Amino acid sequence: GQQVQQSPASLVLQEGENAELQCNFSTSLNSMQWFYQRPGGSLVSLFYNPSGTKHSGRLTSTTVIKERRSSLHISSSQTTDSGTYLCAGATGGNNKLTFGQGTVLSVIP
Amino acid sequence: GPKVLQIPSHQIIDMGQMVTLNCDPVSNHLYFYWYKQILGQQMEFLVNFYNGKVMEKSKLFKDQFSVERPDGSYFTLKIQPTALEDSAVYFCASSWGGGQNTLYFGAGTRLSVL
Repeated sequence: GQQVQQSPASLVLQEGENAELQCNFSTSLNSMQWFYQRPGGSLVSLFYNPSGTKHSGRLTSTTVIKERRSSLHISSSQTTDSGTYLCAGATGGNNKLTFGQGTVLSVIP
Repeated sequence: GPKVLQIPSHQIIDMGQMVTLNCDPVSNHLYFYWYKQILGQQMEFLVNFYNGKVMEKSKLFKDQFSVERPDGSYFTLKIQPTALEDSAVYFCASSWGGGQNTLYFGAGTRLSVL
C-alpha cells in the first residue's frame, strides 16, 4: 500500500482561515519533511521534522512518530499560500524520499 | 536561501533522441538526487549520487538513464534513447549530508518526448 498518505487531497479556504494538513506514513519511513510546491512546479523545503513540533512564521509542523503521523498547520492563510503541500519520508539514512500525493490548497480573497 | 538551478526549464525532443538535463547544485553540497514527476502523479525518487558514484537507484532508473558530475561541474541526467514514457518533470536536488539533511530542490525541467 501507499507509504505516505496525505489528507485532504484538496482544500479551499477563505483568506484568514486556518488549515490543518495531515500526513500518515508507514513504519518503514522516518525523517519526515514538508515541502511547498509552487503552481509553477518548484519545491521549497518548509520543515525537516523527524519528531516533535517546529514553528516557522505562520507554519507549524508536528510529527508524532509512534502514531505514524505528521501535520502542517497554516494559520491566518493568505492567497500566496495557494499551491501544493507535499509530505515526504526517508528510507534509512540516505535521503531517498517517498512523497505523498500532496494537498492542493487554494486560498481565495 | 540556497538555490539549485536546472537548465533548461523545458525540453522538447523526438522519441529515440538523446537528452541531457543539467543541474547546478548548491555549491558546498556533496549529495545529489534526481526525482521524476509525471503530470498529475506524485514525485518519485530516481537516483542519488555521492563521491562520483550512484549510491542507490529506483526501478524507474532504467538502463537508458545515466548520471554524472564531471570535475564538480553540472550534475547531469542523460537519457539515451528517450521513450514516450520519459515525458515528465525531472527535479534535481542536493544536500550537504547524506541522511537527516534538508534537500534543496531545483525548479524542474519539463521533458516532452514526442
